[in-house]
Amino acid sequence: DTGVSQDPRHKITKRGQNVTFRCDPISEHNRLYWYRQTLGQGPEFLTYFQNEAQLEKSRLLSDRFSAERPKGSFSTLEIQRTEQGDSAMYLCATQGGLSSYEQYFGPGTRLTVT
Amino acid sequence: AQSVAQPEDQVNVAEGNPLTVKCTYSVSGNPYLFWYVQYPNRGLQFLLKYITGDNLVKGSYGFEAEFNKSQTSFHLKKPSALVSDSALYFCAVSLPNTDKLIFGTGTRLQVFP
Repeated sequence: DTGVSQDPRHKITKRGQNVTFRCDPISEHNRLYWYRQTLGQGPEFLTYFQNEAQLEKSRLLSDRFSAERPKGSFSTLEIQRTEQGDSAMYLCATQGGLSSYEQYFGPGTRLTVT
Repeated sequence: AQSVAQPEDQVNVAEGNPLTVKCTYSVSGNPYLFWYVQYPNRGLQFLLKYITGDNLVKGSYGFEAEFNKSQTSFHLKKPSALVSDSALYFCAVSLPNTDKLIFGTGTRLQVFP
């Protein structure tokens, strides 16, 4: 257990529905990342926050995706109008700051869009 | 563009034998390099990192990795494999000030008794 938690662990939804995932970071970590992992691939970067500021977004993050980190604590990732291609494992990771280089990952949320 | 290559989809090794999982990278600048391990139904676990300094870095569970700048490689090694080392291993790279990790496609390590 890395100390990063994600909820839910599994989500099955129908195409066109909206879904929201939550990540709770290690409390003293100010950087928070979202990645997406599909079968047979390594995780791909989606976006990251330093405290409450969203500093970078990948081109993978279409307009249907939005992420927030209010007050620099937990973060949410919302997918609107889900598509079957959104089916993947969504991973959250946190990092302790400029002098701490490694990221610690949560268990992930597996999304299945039917 | 930054990229990471793990040329072997699977590595098979007998318990007690040394193991090597290969990783090469392509980046401009001085990279930060990482190895992560993923067990079934569990998240990625950090194993070790190279930031600067000694080219041989040691990490968790007896693993080590050697940074070779001329060959742009960062191979993961262990002198004596355990059956419990069987898992999916990912190599990753980042650049200073970019923060995001770029992962390879992973190598499945299978250690046989």
